[in-house]
Amino acid sequence: DIQMTQSPSSLSASVGDRVTITCRAGQSISSYLNWYQQKPGKAPKLLIYTASSLQSGVPSRFSGSGSGTDFTLTISSLQPEDFATYYCQQSYSTPRTFGQGTKVEIK
Amino acid sequence: QVTLRESGPALVKPTQTLTLTCIFSGFSLSTSGMGVTWIRQPPGKALEWLARIDWDDDKYYSTSLETRLTISKDTSRNQVVLTMTNMDPVDTATYYCARAWIAVATIDYWGQGTLVTVSS
Repeated sequence: DIQMTQSPSSLSASVGDRVTITCRAGQSISSYLNWYQQKPGKAPKLLIYTASSLQSGVPSRFSGSGSGTDFTLTISSLQPEDFATYYCQQSYSTPRTFGQGTKVEIK
Repeated sequence: QVTLRESGPALVKPTQTLTLTCIFSGFSLSTSGMGVTWIRQPPGKALEWLARIDWDDDKYYSTSLETRLTISKDTSRNQVVLTMTNMDPVDTATYYCARAWIAVATIDYWGQGTLVTVSS
């Protein structure tokens, strides 16, 4: 199984801040990396697929980059509705695996 | 409009078998490139991928749970069933079904999830 490691596990930020979350794969996964946002008590929501493609309806302040083993999710200007937990997931091979999550909290 | 909904017991006893049904609409599992995935999330913990079934009836399982899991589909009824044997309290979690968009290797629509508690 491919291990996915996110950093940091949590962060505190203010509205308007630029936020960066990192995801590292245990082996090369090309660009087969997805990002999800999850709010408390809700199902995850797809933000980014294949590392950098923005899912329809997702605000353009979200962007993804990377390939191989190192990936980044960036929120260019944090909004109140962005406080949530973010997960990366590799889709290079089955079983698909998720990172442990990054919780973005209000500073 | 794509929707998915999980159905199953809220409480199971240890050693019992859990059967969950995913009822979906807005897409067909007879369409090439489609699949349905099960994912779970213990309270306060991370997401864990469990299994997937594809339009061509290919099936994939979590390495650590594959001896306990079975996934199947009823294409005519737009349903996917997941069974998990020998349930244990550590299997207490919210179980989600979701659509797998295999062409772009992602999960794009999720059900609301169903909380399953394992307790005697």
